[in-house]
Amino acid sequence: EDQVTQSPEALRLQEGESSSLNCSYTVSGLRGLFWYRQDPGKGPEFLFTLYSAGEEKEKERLKATLTKKESFLHITAPKPEDSATYLCAVQASNDYKLSFGAGTTVTVRA
Amino acid sequence: NAGVTQTPKFQVLKTGQSMTLQCAQDMNHNSMYWYRQDPGMGLRLIYYSASEGTTDKGEVPNGYNVSRLNKREFSLRLESAAPSQTSVYFCASSYSLTSDTQYFGPGTRLTVL
Repeated sequence: EDQVTQSPEALRLQEGESSSLNCSYTVSGLRGLFWYRQDPGKGPEFLFTLYSAGEEKEKERLKATLTKKESFLHITAPKPEDSATYLCAVQASNDYKLSFGAGTTVTVRA
Repeated sequence: NAGVTQTPKFQVLKTGQSMTLQCAQDMNHNSMYWYRQDPGMGLRLIYYSASEGTTDKGEVPNGYNVSRLNKREFSLRLESAAPSQTSVYFCASSYSLTSDTQYFGPGTRLTVL
C-alpha cells in the first residue's frame, strides 16, 4: 500500500526565514509526486508534479525536489501570503489513485 | 470559466437523513473524483468516474453512492447519514485518470449530528 508521510505537521516562520518541508513516500513504482497548496476553507490548488529522482521545479519562492524516497518543498524568503497547508501526494505507475499525506501547515509572521 | 463548483458549501444533517452533494466542472474533463478530508488525515478517495457512464469505488466508499449524470456533473449521495461521515468533501476533475493535474472544487463542509 502506498504511504505518504509529511513533516513537520506545522511550521511557524518569520518573514524572510527560509525553510523546507519534507514528504517521505513508499510506492510500488512512481508515476508522479504532486504538491498542492490549500488555503483555509478552500480546495487544494495544484503547484507541481515531479516524475523522476533529481527533478526540480520552481514557482516564485517555492522549489520542489525529488529523490527516490522523499521530496522537499523549499520556501525561500517566505512572505505572509505563503501561509497555507501544503499537501503532498503520490501516484503509482500501476494505479490511478492519488495517495495524500496529511499536510504541513505553514504560518509566516510579518 | 468557473472550474469545479460544488453545492452546498455547508450542510448540517441529523443521523439517518439523506442528501446529495452536487459537483460540476466546465473544463471538458473526462475524469471526476470525490474525496473526504478529515483532521490529521490526508484526502481519501471515496469514488471516482474515469469517464462519462462509468463509476468505481475508491478507498472509503461505504455509506456513499455516486452518479455521473453527464460529462460535466458528478454527484455524491449519502443515503442514511452517520456521525462518522462528518467531514469536508471535495470534488475534483482531471482530463484523464493518468493526468498529472487534478483540479479541486471549494468543498462542502458536512456535519452529521
